[in-house]
Amino acid sequence: EAGVTQSPTHLIKTRGQQATLRCSPISGHTSVYWYQQALGLGLQFLLWYDEGEERNRGNFPPRFSGRQFPNYSSELNVNALELEDSALYLCASSKVRSGLSTDNEQFFGPGTRLTVL
Amino acid sequence: AQSVTQLDSQVPVFEEAPVELRCNYSSSVSVYLFWYVQYPNQGLQLLLKYLSGSTLVKGINGFEAEFNKSQTSFHLRKPSVHISDTAEYFCAAVRGSYIPTFGRGTSLIVHP
Repeated sequence: EAGVTQSPTHLIKTRGQQATLRCSPISGHTSVYWYQQALGLGLQFLLWYDEGEERNRGNFPPRFSGRQFPNYSSELNVNALELEDSALYLCASSKVRSGLSTDNEQFFGPGTRLTVL
Repeated sequence: AQSVTQLDSQVPVFEEAPVELRCNYSSSVSVYLFWYVQYPNQGLQLLLKYLSGSTLVKGINGFEAEFNKSQTSFHLRKPSVHISDTAEYFCAAVRGSYIPTFGRGTSLIVHP
């Protein structure tokens, strides 16, 4: 079974530009989560998509946005890039939410390293 | 809101010595607990999880963790570490909102 995949592996942008990061969940998983892992800050929750809808959002400005497609893959868009957006962006997927159960276990992709110059 | 505290940001240890990475969470009500490992330049890999049942959970690579409800702790242990265990370790808790809360991570550094 293929795991969560993310593209690109690395992305270099300059301040003010836009970045688009992509994630494909494990087959059969409908929930996709995005996290930012900046140096020394651990994992910060960004966004959660389930069945094509945004279900929850972390404490990030609106220039961080995304969407989930009918095939459950997802995009994370970061507009007006700032230097502090440089981080590893991790995507995770899980099965359909059904109460507090084993379906909540998240499986992570390898991440996209975004560098803003 | 759920919170997860990893008490040590860095744990240096010599090869073949035992190690314990500490994790405390804020609520013991219907919570699932996880430990993940992140090797350099990689994503997170699940080490083990506590969902219910036995409080001693065994995971991959010889790691185990014990769920202690009274102390709201879920410490990770390994009796003898290897150089290859050098990595970042994250504790996480899930309840209610289904968004896991992660600790800030503990860097395990194994010296030869």
